[in-house]
Amino acid sequence: NAGVTQTPKFQVLKTGQSMTLQCAQDMNHNSMYWYRQDPGMGLRLIYYSASEGTTDKGEVPNGYNVSRLNKREFSLRLESAAPSQTSVYFCASSPGQAGGNTIYFGEGSWLTVV
Amino acid sequence: KNQVEQSPQSLIILEGKNCTLQCNYTVSPFSNLRWYKQDTGRGPVSLTIMTFSENTKSNGRYTATLDADTKQSSLHITASQLSDSASYICVVSVSSGGYQKVTFGTGTKLQVIP
Repeated sequence: NAGVTQTPKFQVLKTGQSMTLQCAQDMNHNSMYWYRQDPGMGLRLIYYSASEGTTDKGEVPNGYNVSRLNKREFSLRLESAAPSQTSVYFCASSPGQAGGNTIYFGEGSWLTVV
Repeated sequence: KNQVEQSPQSLIILEGKNCTLQCNYTVSPFSNLRWYKQDTGRGPVSLTIMTFSENTKSNGRYTATLDADTKQSSLHITASQLSDSASYICVVSVSSGGYQKVTFGTGTKLQVIP
């Protein structure tokens, strides 16, 4: 049982380049999330998908897009990377709403934009 | 000002000793409070979850307490082990218009030394 799997683990981008972070969960969860974690700050929600077919903005959505490809997969795309997007990105999932359910996190993706 | 504040920011203790981590929150209306453990380079993992009506919850050597009146929670670690070295994150959920919003604290970094 892999839980939440995200790729790549590490990535270095040049300013202006684009990339997609992939995420998949095998727990049949309805809700999926993308967070970023920066030093001295709590995890911040970028985008979430409450259920298959829906996506909504979180706290810090600017510069990102997402796709809920199916119930298992939720990808995060940076169209034109900026140094401010250097961060650790976590994909997560929960059976239902994050507030009322345990959130299960992936192992993180370390992104550096130079 | 963070709506979920944790203290101390970092802590070093000797193996075998006990310690207590604090979490104060200002968000409302409160739904539940969770503690997560995040090992270096890994995603957070849930330790405990407490609703408004619960004032204590244990998970092995970890005991979380909640005082909803003063909006304070603590995580007590008994007989610490080297493997307890990690960041501990307090997470508070609030109900708003049928949706539950999740707010993460910035974490306490615990180092257990031999």
